[in-house]
Amino acid sequence: AQKVTQAQTEISVVEKEDVTLDCVYETRDTTYYLFWYKQPPSGELVFLIRRNSFDEQNEISGRYSWNFQKSTSSFNFTITASQVVDSAVYFCALSEEGGGSEKLVFGKGTKLTVNP
Amino acid sequence: SQTIHQWPATLVQPVGSPLSLECTVEGTSNPNLYWYRQAAGRGLQLLFYSVGIGQISSEVPQNLSASRPQDRQFILSSKKLLLSDSGFYLCAWSTLGVGHSTDTQYFGPGTRLTVL
Repeated sequence: AQKVTQAQTEISVVEKEDVTLDCVYETRDTTYYLFWYKQPPSGELVFLIRRNSFDEQNEISGRYSWNFQKSTSSFNFTITASQVVDSAVYFCALSEEGGGSEKLVFGKGTKLTVNP
Repeated sequence: SQTIHQWPATLVQPVGSPLSLECTVEGTSNPNLYWYRQAAGRGLQLLFYSVGIGQISSEVPQNLSASRPQDRQFILSSKKLLLSDSGFYLCAWSTLGVGHSTDTQYFGPGTRLTVL
């Protein structure tokens, strides 16, 4: 069965610090997809990134970067030089290849608070 | 571009009353549609998903039902609300992109339901 674990329930940092959010997943499939979503206080989930299991290249987008390691079943998310606007709950999610409506399995989320 | 709407944004209902939450998507055809619930302090739970008009799959047996009367409309209903139905309800859409074997889900702004 699929499972996503975000062991860090809450993280608090001071502005400009770097912070890494951990995500560990379990799946029996060889082809799967990993996602990160951001949920600001307004509640809407904002899509950040999607990664296929056969593409282990790390990705950088501005201050955001993602480290995908199949050997450790991890897909960690790093925010460099954090800002107050980064304060949100971040969810990691997993779906398996199905060629149709995909069911996302979410972790329980990590609440990040960036203090000024 | 695609947009997703949900209403109402907030709702307070007494126990035993009926419920109807609506979700509509613009700018895409034949999307997959999803209803999720996020209880306070917990992760997201998939409730229903639909791959087309009149086609509903239920993930969790419960007090709720879903319907899809039109291609881009998804409705979540209940005949009699329970206290445990309180939560944040999110609608999402996805579409299978060309060259992809799975899709990315995009979420609406959500409806915060309080059952008293």
